[in-house]
Amino acid sequence: NAGVTQTPKFRVLKTGQSMTLLCAQDMNHEYMYWYRQDPGMGLRLIHYSVGEGTTAKGEVPDGYNVSRLKKQNFLLGLESAAPSQTSVYFCASSRHTEGGGGTEAFFGQGTRLTVV
Amino acid sequence: LAKTTQPISMDSYEGQEVNITCSHNNIATNDYITWYQQFPSQGPRFIIQGYKTKVTNEVASLFIPADRKSSTLSLPRVSLSDTAVYYCLVGALRNKLIFGAGTRLAVHP
Repeated sequence: NAGVTQTPKFRVLKTGQSMTLLCAQDMNHEYMYWYRQDPGMGLRLIHYSVGEGTTAKGEVPDGYNVSRLKKQNFLLGLESAAPSQTSVYFCASSRHTEGGGGTEAFFGQGTRLTVV
Repeated sequence: LAKTTQPISMDSYEGQEVNITCSHNNIATNDYITWYQQFPSQGPRFIIQGYKTKVTNEVASLFIPADRKSSTLSLPRVSLSDTAVYYCLVGALRNKLIFGAGTRLAVHP
C-alpha cells in the first residue's frame, strides 16, 4: 500500500520554465490537497479538490493551476516559475465522511523545488 | 474555519510529560480537533483527533473541555525522537484543511 506518492522528489527550474507535479493516492480518497512549505514556516494550502473533476482555491493559489481528471491523481502546474515559488510542496488526501469532519489526512513525502 | 492559536515553541527534557494547548474560540458545532506531527523534511503525520472530552491512543492524549474553545495535546514521557512541529487544526475536512504555524517542540537530553 503506497499511500500518497509525489513525483518528482526534487527539481530545479529556471525562471520562466513550466512544470507539473504529480500526486497519486491509492486509498480511493475523495479529497486531495496541495500545500507549499517555506523554510521554518507552516504549510500553506495552494489548491484542493473535493472530488474528481473539481478544484478550488486555497490560501495561496496565484501562480499555480491544478487538475483532477482522475480520482487518484491531483496535478499541480507552474506555468511560469518564479524564484518566489522555491519551496517544498506537499500533497495530501483524505476520505469523505458524512458531516465533513472526523477523518485524517495522509501526506506524501514532498517535492523540493528550486527556481533559479 | 475556526482560527487556532498555539505557542510558537516549547522545550522539554526526556522522560517528561509535554502538554501543548491550542485555543480555538470560534469552533463550530461540527468541527473536529485534529493534531498533526511533522519531522524535518517529511510531510505531517496524523497524531490524534477528537470532538469532546478525552481521547487517548498509543501516541498521545487529547483533552477537550466542555466549551471546546481550547484543547490540549499531551505527550507522555517524551523522548528525543518527539522533537518535531505539532499542528492543531480545527474544522471539517469537507472545507479547506488549513494549517497554522504550529508549535516547535524541542526535547533535550
